[in-house]
Amino acid sequence: DTAVSQTPKYLVTQMGNDKSIKCEQNLGHDTMYWYKQDSKKFLKIMFSYNNKELIINETVPNRFSPKSPDKAHLNLHINSLELGDSAVYFCASSRRGQVGYGYTFGSGTRLTVV
Amino acid sequence: QKEVEQNSGPLSVPEGAIASLNCTYSDRGSQSFFWYRQYSGKSPELIMFIYSNGDKEDGRFTAQLNKASQYVSLLIRDSQPSDSATYLCAALITGGSYIPTFGRGTSLIVHP
Repeated sequence: DTAVSQTPKYLVTQMGNDKSIKCEQNLGHDTMYWYKQDSKKFLKIMFSYNNKELIINETVPNRFSPKSPDKAHLNLHINSLELGDSAVYFCASSRRGQVGYGYTFGSGTRLTVV
Repeated sequence: QKEVEQNSGPLSVPEGAIASLNCTYSDRGSQSFFWYRQYSGKSPELIMFIYSNGDKEDGRFTAQLNKASQYVSLLIRDSQPSDSATYLCAALITGGSYIPTFGRGTSLIVHP
């Protein structure tokens, strides 16, 4: 199946831990994103990579570090997790310049920090 | 600051009615607009894209764009319970960073 796949789907961890979320797309898209969706459904851009190059880095604590080993993968590593990091994290991809097709989102990773 | 505003709802309509979802945006540079549907616990999925003033129809969905008034709306005709979801509006400045700004979404409930 062509898709954007994220793992894990659920992540429960204690404050202070370090965790990673992985994302892969097989759509042939050249741009990938990480979004954070809070409890009020607000989708906020965190990072965007185009062909492995970081192009958007919004105001995000530097405890969050994205890594794109190739244009089909974009991972997110979070250090020293805090309670406020609890949210759903969505990976998405698109083809730059093909605006009308919008984004394809992954199924999300629900992170709960306790 | 670029903002996309939506009434969080919930908007409750009876089955078979027309659901009207509205969205306003602050940045006049916004040129392209999206409507995404997000079922509870699921990821957003694109349902409409519009960039020209006027109406764009796709099945039971009609997107309406008025750039002079800076609003975009989504009409859902013959609403079904399966349309119950959160609808996210997003605005994009074409030729910029290609990163759309999302609104907080409107929750729609279609009751039988």
